[in-house]
Amino acid sequence: GAVVSQHPSWVICKSGTSVKIECRSLDFQATTMFWYRQFPKQSLMLMATSNEGSKATYEQGVEKDKFLINHASLTLSTLTVTSAHPEDSSFYICSASQGLAGGSGANVLTFGAGSRLTVL
Amino acid sequence: SQQGEEDPQALSIQEGENATMNCSYKTSINNLQWYRQNSGRGLVHLILIRSNEREKHSGRLRVTLDTSKKSSSLLITASRAADTASYFCATDGWQGGKLIFGQGTELSVKP
Repeated sequence: GAVVSQHPSWVICKSGTSVKIECRSLDFQATTMFWYRQFPKQSLMLMATSNEGSKATYEQGVEKDKFLINHASLTLSTLTVTSAHPEDSSFYICSASQGLAGGSGANVLTFGAGSRLTVL
Repeated sequence: SQQGEEDPQALSIQEGENATMNCSYKTSINNLQWYRQNSGRGLVHLILIRSNEREKHSGRLRVTLDTSKKSSSLLITASRAADTASYFCATDGWQGGKLIFGQGTELSVKP
C-alpha cells in the first residue's frame, strides 16, 4: 500500500531558530500534499495544501511567512517553521493524495507518522 | 475551519462490547471517511462512504450515513483492546480534495 514517510519524528529547538519537516511519498507520486497541525487531544487543523510545482494554498489564519511550504517534486513536500516560538510547539502531520481512489471519486489520504515539535 | 462534531468525545468500554461513535457535519459532502489515530501517530484510513450510500461494512466496522441529518456513525463490533485509539470522521466537500476533520472520539477498550 501507499506509504508516506515524515521526518523528523520529533525535534526540539531553541526559540528563534527554524525547523524543516520533510514529507515523502515512498511508492507513489503525490501531486498534492496536505499539512495539518494537531494540539493535544484535539482534532487536525488543516494548515495548507501543497501543490507540486506551484505555491501552496494556505488556510485562513495560517501565516504563510511563518510556515513555508515547498513541494519541489512529486514525492517531496517540506514544511519550514521559521523563527519558531514556544507557541509553535505542536504535532505536525502531512498527508498525501494519490488522486481519486478506486473509481470512488474520493480523495483518500495517506498520512505520515507526524512530527512533534517542541520549541524551548 | 472544522466541519464535524463527534460524540462522544471519549468512550470507555470492555473488550467484546460494541462501540458506536457519531459524527455530524454542516455542509454538503461528496463523501465521508473515518480515520483512526493511535496516540502520537499519524492517521490510518478505515472506511469511506459516498454521499449516495446509506450503509457500508468492512470487517468489524459498520458505517452509516444520513445526509438528511448530516450525520454518520461508526460501529465497531466485538471490540478488542487493540482498537484503543482516537477515531475521526472527515468530510470531502468538493473543496479541491481537502478533507476537514471532526473533533474525534477517544476510544478506550479495557481487556
